[in-house]
Amino acid sequence: NAGVMQNPRHLVRRRGQEARLRCSPMKGHSHVYWYRQLPEEGLKFMVYLQKENIIDESGMPKERFSAEFPKEGPSILRIQQVVRGDSAAYFCASSPRLADGEQFFGPGTRLTVL
Amino acid sequence: AQSVTQLDSQVPVFEEAPVELRCNYSSSVSVYLFWYVQYPNQGLQLLLKYLSGSTLVKGINGFEAEFNKSQTSFHLRKPSVHISDTAEYFCATGGSQGNLIFGKGTKLSVKP
Repeated sequence: NAGVMQNPRHLVRRRGQEARLRCSPMKGHSHVYWYRQLPEEGLKFMVYLQKENIIDESGMPKERFSAEFPKEGPSILRIQQVVRGDSAAYFCASSPRLADGEQFFGPGTRLTVL
Repeated sequence: AQSVTQLDSQVPVFEEAPVELRCNYSSSVSVYLFWYVQYPNQGLQLLLKYLSGSTLVKGINGFEAEFNKSQTSFHLRKPSVHISDTAEYFCATGGSQGNLIFGKGTKLSVKP
């Protein structure tokens, strides 16, 4: 059973460009979470999705950020018009159920905005 | 609001010495607690978790943690560390929507 897959592993964008980060959860997992890790900080929750639904986006910046988890295909975290402050590691995690909160993390996408 | 505090940002220790990484939590709901380890440029790996039951939880790589409700703590311990334990360790609690709330992390540096 493959683990959580994220791609790309590293992404470089210039200010104003768009960044698309992909996450394929573990097989059988229907809950997907996105987290952001800034330098010297812990992980901060961004958004929680189930198939075709956003359940909780309380951690998402109000502008430029969006996420989806379509019926088919990976979950996508999209950042429009990136700024230098968006440079961070973005982690996706998946879970088969809500009950005990255990999540399985992908290797992350490291976004660098020039 | 739920929160997690890791009291030490860095812990240096010599190989084969014992180590304790401290974590305190605040929560008004049922408490789920986790310790994750992050090796450089990698994702997070679950070390152990507390959901209910025995307050002493054993995890992988010889780590264990004790849930202490009266002190709202969940400290991570290992009796004898190896060089390979050098990594960053994160304590986390489960949020109301199933998301995880993390502490800022503790960097464990094991020296020969």
